[in-house]
Amino acid sequence: GIQVEQSPPDLILQEGANSTLRCNFSDSVNNLQWFHQNPWGQLINLFYIPSGTKQNGRLSATTVATERYSLLYISSSQTTDSGVYFCAVNTGGFKTIFGAGTRLFVKA
Amino acid sequence: DAMVIQNPRYQVTQFGKPVTLSCSQTLNHNVMYWYQQKSSQAPKLLFHYYDKDFNNEADTPDNFQSRRPNTSFCFLDIRSPGLGDAAMYLCATSRAGDKNIQYFGAGTRLSVL
Repeated sequence: GIQVEQSPPDLILQEGANSTLRCNFSDSVNNLQWFHQNPWGQLINLFYIPSGTKQNGRLSATTVATERYSLLYISSSQTTDSGVYFCAVNTGGFKTIFGAGTRLFVKA
Repeated sequence: DAMVIQNPRYQVTQFGKPVTLSCSQTLNHNVMYWYQQKSSQAPKLLFHYYDKDFNNEADTPDNFQSRRPNTSFCFLDIRSPGLGDAAMYLCATSRAGDKNIQYFGAGTRLSVL
C-alpha cells in the first residue's frame, strides 16, 4: 500500500518564526488533506490540496503531485499553532492513509 | 453550523464491559467513518459506511462493530473492551464523489479500567 512520510517528526519554534512541514507519498493520490490536531484532540481541516498551491491566512500549502510531495508553510507562528499536523492521502475508494504527523510546539 | 458531533467526549468503561460511542452529523454526508487513534500515533481507519453499505478494514478486530440506523447517526460498539482499546475514537464524514473531503468530530477519549 501507499506509504506516507512526514518530516520533521518534532519541531519547536519561537513565536513569530516561519516553518515548512513536508509530506512525501509513495504513489499517485487523488486526494490529499492537511489537518491540525489541537491539544484537545480534534482534527481540523486546513487544506484539501491534491495538486497546486493554496493559501489561507498565515498558512499555505503546495502539492507537487508528479514528484509526490506536499509542503505546509506556517508563517509568523503563534502559540495557538501548537499541536500535531497530519498529512492524509487517498488513492481511490474511501480509505485514507495518515502520515505519522509533525508535532509542533510554539514557544511564547 | 453544520457539523460532526461525538458523544460523550470522555468515556470510562470497565474491562470487558460493552460500550457504545455515538456520532451524529448535520452535513448530510453519505459516508461516515470510525478511526482509532492511540497515543502519539496517527488515526487508523476501523470501518466506514457508504450509505447503508458497511465496509470493515481487514485488520479491524471482531470486538469492534458499528451501526448506522440513518444518514445522521453512526455508532461504534466495543463488545468486550480490553486495556489495549483505550484510545481516542474519531468519527468523520464525507460526501462521496465530492472530492471525498473528510470532516472530523471532536473525538471520544475512551479509558478502560
